[in-house]
Amino acid sequence: GQSLEQPSEVTAVEGAIVQINCTYQTSGFYGLSWYQQHDGGAPTFLSYNALDGLEETGRFSSFLSRSDSYGYLLLQELQMKDSASYFCAVDDNYGQNFVFGPGTRLSVLP
Amino acid sequence: DADVTQTPRNRITKTGKRIMLECSQTKGHDRMYWYRQDPGLGLRLIYYSFDVKDINKGEISDGYSVSRQAQAKFSLSLESAIPNQTALYFCATRTGENTGELFFGEGSRLTVL
Repeated sequence: GQSLEQPSEVTAVEGAIVQINCTYQTSGFYGLSWYQQHDGGAPTFLSYNALDGLEETGRFSSFLSRSDSYGYLLLQELQMKDSASYFCAVDDNYGQNFVFGPGTRLSVLP
Repeated sequence: DADVTQTPRNRITKTGKRIMLECSQTKGHDRMYWYRQDPGLGLRLIYYSFDVKDINKGEISDGYSVSRQAQAKFSLSLESAIPNQTALYFCATRTGENTGELFFGEGSRLTVL
């Protein structure tokens, strides 16, 4: 089977940096993705890590350690519009399955 | 126009009724997925398909069935809806390459009374 764990909620202020962690247990791991979902909307893709290390895309960065079955999403220079739910997801079963974590709700305060 | 289209967007039905949610895509992707979203539980995989002859059960397939009518169309059916199937349902597609990116439809909100 597979399981992913994330904190349920995170709160931060505008301009701050926040890190959302994700640990996973899967079979046939291919990579770790991150998605953003605003209330009432569809999830949208943010980043993907197949190899260990840090991937940077603008204000967002994502990190993966395959040996630790761990990754995180780093959001810098937080803006109010970053208030949303963030999901980690894994390519499981050698890329055949795609499983999401329970999500982390980020609240950005003024 | 959206690349991944779901119909209906909202549906209210009664217990025991048969419901079909439809998904069509113009992205030319082979892989298609149906997820269910409930508050606090994230997105849970119901079924997925890698081509018209390939159907696979996901984590929570009981009470659901699917049909892959063509590369572009993937339908989800509830043969006899029950109230705990009230949820937000998403269809998604991806390429055959492992880029980690799914493309989601806008969702279908189903309420079973």
